[in-house]
Parts: sequence; structure tokens; C-alpha cells
Amino acid sequence: DAKTTQPNSMESNEEEPVHLPCNHSTISGTDYIHWYRQLPSQGPEYVIHGLTSNVNNRMASLAIAEDRKSSTLILHRATLRDAAVYYCILRGYSNSGYALNFGKGTSLLVTP
Amino acid sequence: DTGVSQDPRHKITKRGQNVTFRCDPISEHNRLYWYRQTLGQGPEFLTYFQNEAQLEKSRLLSDRFSAERPKGSFSTLEIQRTEQGDSAMYLCASQGRVDEKLFFGSGTQLSVL
Repeated sequence: DAKTTQPNSMESNEEEPVHLPCNHSTISGTDYIHWYRQLPSQGPEYVIHGLTSNVNNRMASLAIAEDRKSSTLILHRATLRDAAVYYCILRGYSNSGYALNFGKGTSLLVTP
Repeated sequence: DTGVSQDPRHKITKRGQNVTFRCDPISEHNRLYWYRQTLGQGPEFLTYFQNEAQLEKSRLLSDRFSAERPKGSFSTLEIQRTEQGDSAMYLCASQGRVDEKLFFGSGTQLSVL
């Protein structure tokens, strides 16, 4: 599986935008970019995913570089409830169906 | 939609004992996954079911681990002769037929003393 590289941690002020980067230089043409987040004591939660074009949903936006070797998850206005570990994952087709291989993610701290 | 349910939430056992966890996926979700997560690490894939068929097992799933999904509904994960290294959060996720998203339960925290 192609790997992703994320900063270990980031910090943001409440009500400010947050840009969470992810590098995936070995991405293949059929790999989807997925983002999940995990709040303390909970299972991971889907945030957003995309292939080539930028994507928006009610939780966040996903900006994908033209060469697809990097992407950025954008939280438009961070709240204290957004403090979580954010995982950037590449999902390609394999015998394991849609199994996702998580890395260590980025721990986001949101301060008031 | 009641979400993915896992039982129990916490399990404390002594080394050498057997434990079994249960996962109830979202109804009509045909794909089911088990993951394991240790402190400070992301979830690690263990095994995957499509309906009742177990289609893949990770090398992390030693012979002491077995998972079943009878009738393609709920699933169980059993660990025999538990070891202290088995202490972790065990997460279950389900996925619909045409959905990219995985829906995770809150997990079962296992502590092996």
C-alpha cells in the first residue's frame, strides 16, 4: 500500500481555519484519499474522501494537489469538538475490499 | 440506523484465559472489519468479512485469534490463551454495498493482567 506522511501534531485556535497536510508521493492512479478522525475514547469517524477533484461536505473540505502527491484537509472554523487525531489514508483495491490502513495521524489541539 | 454496536466496552482478563467480543454492524451492511489499536498508534487491520465469508486475515491475526460472522450478521472475535501483548482496543467497522465509508463502533478495550 502507498504510504502517507502527516505531522505528528498541530495546534489551532478556536474559530480559526485549520489546514491539515498529508503527503502521499507514491499514490497510484486508482488510490482514493480518505480522511478519518478519532475523538478520545471513540472509534474513527469518516470525514471526507476524494480521488482527483477537491471535495466539500458539511464537515470539511479536501484539497487535492494537481499531481495528487499531497492533499490538505481543511476545517473552516475549528471548534473544541474538533480536537482529535486526524488520519489521512490511501485506499486502493485489494483482496481486503475497502480495508483502510491507518498510520499514526495528526493530533489536533484546539485552544479557546 | 443505530450505528455499530460492540460488546463489552471493557474486558479485564487474566493471562491464559479466552475472551470473546461481539460486533453488531449497521443492518444490511454486508462488509465487516476488525481492527486492533494500541495506545498512540492508529488502528491496525485484522480481518474482513463480506457477508459470512472471511475474505482476508492480516498476519497480525495469530492462530490464537479467530473471527466468525454466521449468517452475515453479527460477528465475534475470540482470542484464546490471552497474552499481555493482546491488551488493546478492538474495533469493529461495517460498510454498505455501495458506500466508501466505514462506520466504526466504540470498541472493546481489553486489558490482560
